[in-house]
Amino acid sequence: AQTVTQSQPEMSVQEAETVTLSCTYDTSESDYYLFWYKQPPSRQMILVIRQEAYKQQNATENRFSVNFQKAAKSFSLKISDSQLGDAAMYFCAWVYYAGGTSYGKLTFGQGTILTVHP
Amino acid sequence: EAGVTQFPSHSVIEKGQTVTLRCDPISGHDNLYWYRRVMGKEIKFLLHFVKESKQDESGMPNNRFLAERTGGTYSTLKVQPAELEDSGVYFCASSQGTDFSLAKNIQYFGAGTRLSVL
Repeated sequence: AQTVTQSQPEMSVQEAETVTLSCTYDTSESDYYLFWYKQPPSRQMILVIRQEAYKQQNATENRFSVNFQKAAKSFSLKISDSQLGDAAMYFCAWVYYAGGTSYGKLTFGQGTILTVHP
Repeated sequence: EAGVTQFPSHSVIEKGQTVTLRCDPISGHDNLYWYRRVMGKEIKFLLHFVKESKQDESGMPNNRFLAERTGGTYSTLKVQPAELEDSGVYFCASSQGTDFSLAKNIQYFGAGTRLSVL
């Protein structure tokens, strides 16, 4: 069975600084997607960034980037120039994907609470 | 475009009672998912609908949980009778498809229903 581990229950960062959230996963599959989702308090969980396993290039979305190490099964999220609005619970997730389809069943980590200090 | 909507946002019931959670997916999304997060743990998959059919219900914990999706539109998740261990946050997500190579097929989440069983 696939597992996703986020070893940092809580992280904090000063506004305008950079922070990295860790995520490791365990799978025997070779084709899959990885995601980082963000959930602000009492609000909807939104997708921050996604990474296709067969792509070596790390995904980036504005201030958010990932460090994807497939052999090490590591998928960390780097937030640059942190803003107060980045404060949220961050979840790492994995999903099986092959041949243009997926069962859609996301496997999540335990989450990391990010606090941003002004 | 309206997002995924979940009702109620919070429900407090006593052990042995029945509770029904509702999810309204994004219009046009054939795929609807239910997940649950027990306090402090990872978000776990419960089941996946494609239109009105259950595609995967491997995560349903036991037969006290009944999910339906009438006419392939909104979905309900009934817990009957509720037990203490059912407490947690229940998330609903929807997607247009399951080919994650297409950005339009990412899963969009609701804000969740917090269920407290006393």
